[in-house]
Amino acid sequence: GENVEQHPSTLSVQEGDSAVIKCTYSDSASNYFPWYKQELGKRPQLIIDIRSNVGEKKDQRIAVTLNKTAKHFSLHITETQPEDSAVYFCAAIPSGGNTGKLIFGQGTTLQVKP
Amino acid sequence: ETGVTQSPTHLIKTRGQQVTLRCSSQSGHNTVSWYQQALGQGPQFIFQYYREEENGRGNFPPRFSGLQFPNYSSELNVNALELDDSALYLCASSSVQGSGANVLTFGAGSRLTVL
Repeated sequence: GENVEQHPSTLSVQEGDSAVIKCTYSDSASNYFPWYKQELGKRPQLIIDIRSNVGEKKDQRIAVTLNKTAKHFSLHITETQPEDSAVYFCAAIPSGGNTGKLIFGQGTTLQVKP
Repeated sequence: ETGVTQSPTHLIKTRGQQVTLRCSSQSGHNTVSWYQQALGQGPQFIFQYYREEENGRGNFPPRFSGLQFPNYSSELNVNALELDDSALYLCASSSVQGSGANVLTFGAGSRLTVL
């Protein structure tokens, strides 16, 4: 079945450093890849997404890259700040067209040390 | 424009009982999906509702069922509760078409504890 693998499971960086989280997916027909940030006890919030017709998307300090051939996509956070500390989830929509079905990775706990 | 709201926020049940969780979708969204998030895990897709019908289901047994109403709000029902059903249940709404297709907006969730 569809699967999304996410690494690392935990990531600790110093404030101002960059953080990179990587995901691989199994369904080559997947065409939408969102990233969600979930703070403790709160709802997952979409921070950036990318569709399969582009290779890179950037929004201020956050960027996502997609390599369709390798079935791999990554989240890049530059100039990290303590408020970036949270759990980050990558996800993919599998083929089949159900718009509300996301396959999530296992999550990465990011800690930004002041 | 209002976001996705869920109720109740927390509840405690015992094994064998039944529970109903409720979700109001974001304005302009016509599709509702439900997810189960166990502690320390990513959300797992339960099912999706569109036009008041189930439209896609994850690997969950039939004792997980749902409804969608004409105003696009939704319910998740779980019968014969088991200890492993303890989790955060997230509702997400989305739009079927347009530039925002597939973009899910999540509610804050209902935290279910089964004793």
